[in-house]
Amino acid sequence: AQTVTQSQPEMSVQEAETVTLSCTYDTSESDYYLFWYKQPPSRQMILVIRQEAYKQQNATENRFSVNFQKAAKSFSLKISDSQLGDAAMYFCASMDSNYQLIWGAGTKLIIKP
Amino acid sequence: DAGVTQSPTHLIKTRGQQVTLRCSPKSGHDTVSWYQQALGQGPQFIFQYYEEEERQRGNFPDRFSGHQFPNYSSELNVNALLLGDSALYLCASSLGLASYEQYFGPGTRLTVT
Repeated sequence: AQTVTQSQPEMSVQEAETVTLSCTYDTSESDYYLFWYKQPPSRQMILVIRQEAYKQQNATENRFSVNFQKAAKSFSLKISDSQLGDAAMYFCASMDSNYQLIWGAGTKLIIKP
Repeated sequence: DAGVTQSPTHLIKTRGQQVTLRCSPKSGHDTVSWYQQALGQGPQFIFQYYEEEERQRGNFPDRFSGHQFPNYSSELNVNALLLGDSALYLCASSLGLASYEQYFGPGTRLTVT
């Protein structure tokens, strides 16, 4: 069974600075997807970025980028130029061959003005 | 283009009662998945519906059941409520079973007293 671990319950960063959120996962499958979701106080899960395991190139979406280390089973999220609107819970998730999402416990990101 | 909607937003029930939560998928989507998110945790997969049938199920007891209607909307039913059923229930929709793109609704907050 797949597992996803987020070891940072909470992170804080100064506005306009860069922060990295950590995630490790375990899977026996060769083909899978990895995701970072954002959950603001409104509770709705919003997809931040997605990475296909077969792609070696790290995914990037504007200020958000990932560092995907397949051999180490590591999938960290880097947020550049942090903004107040980035404050939220961030969840790392993996998707197996059943297309079910397996989630980490989340990291609360605090942005200091 | 309407996104995923869920009702009610929140509700309070007593132990032993039954509850029904509702979800309307994003326009054009035909698959609905349900997740339970306990306070301070990541979501856990409950089950998935496609073509009005339960296709996959997570590790949840039979007290949790569902239904999908011809218009692709879905219901989650929980019988004999326990205090531990208090959680945010998230609905996600996608196009087809083999899709990595899941769109989430705002959730229903269930409190069992």
